[in-house]
Amino acid sequence: GNSVTQMEGPVTLSEEAFLTINCTYTATGYPSLFWYVQYPGEGLQLLLKATKADDKGSNKGFEATYRKETTSFHLEKGSVQVSDSAVYFCALVHNYQLIWGAGTKLIIKP
Amino acid sequence: DAGVIQSPRHEVTEMGQEVTLRCKPISGHDYLFWYRQTMMRGLELLIYFNNNVPIDDSGMPEDRFSAKMPNASFSTLKIQPSEPRDSAVYFCASRLDRKNTEAFFGQGTRLTVV
Repeated sequence: GNSVTQMEGPVTLSEEAFLTINCTYTATGYPSLFWYVQYPGEGLQLLLKATKADDKGSNKGFEATYRKETTSFHLEKGSVQVSDSAVYFCALVHNYQLIWGAGTKLIIKP
Repeated sequence: DAGVIQSPRHEVTEMGQEVTLRCKPISGHDYLFWYRQTMMRGLELLIYFNNNVPIDDSGMPEDRFSAKMPNASFSTLKIQPSEPRDSAVYFCASRLDRKNTEAFFGQGTRLTVV
């Protein structure tokens, strides 16, 4: 069946460090891929998305590239800030079904 | 559009009481989802509707949980009777019935059952 696997957290980094949060998926066909972010006490918000192979989604300095050959959609940011501390969820939509990763908590220390 | 609106934002109730959570999806969205989030179990899908019809309720934990969507602009999630282990944040989300579109989440209802 369809599934999403993302790296376990928490991930703790210093401000201005480079960030990678790994996400891999299993799905038949060509799903759309998403990264959501959840700040403390809030709901999930769409961060970025990609709808076909080799698409790159980007927003707020974050990027992720849809890699069909490795079934991956890793989230990256070149220089993180304290305000990026949140939980990040990788997800896919396939045949109208939403599949979620377990979430990765990111902690940025000043 | 104001986005997905949930009420109340916080609910504290005593064990055994009935609790009703409410959700107003984004106008025109065809899908509505109810999720529960806890530290232990993460984000769990409880039930989802398409055009007001329940499609998959396999995530509803027990018969104490029920959900309705009487029209396209309103849904409720009811717990009767409530138990302390139901304490969690409950999210409602909605989505267009169109390929590649994302889900939009409400702010959630934090439920505490004492």
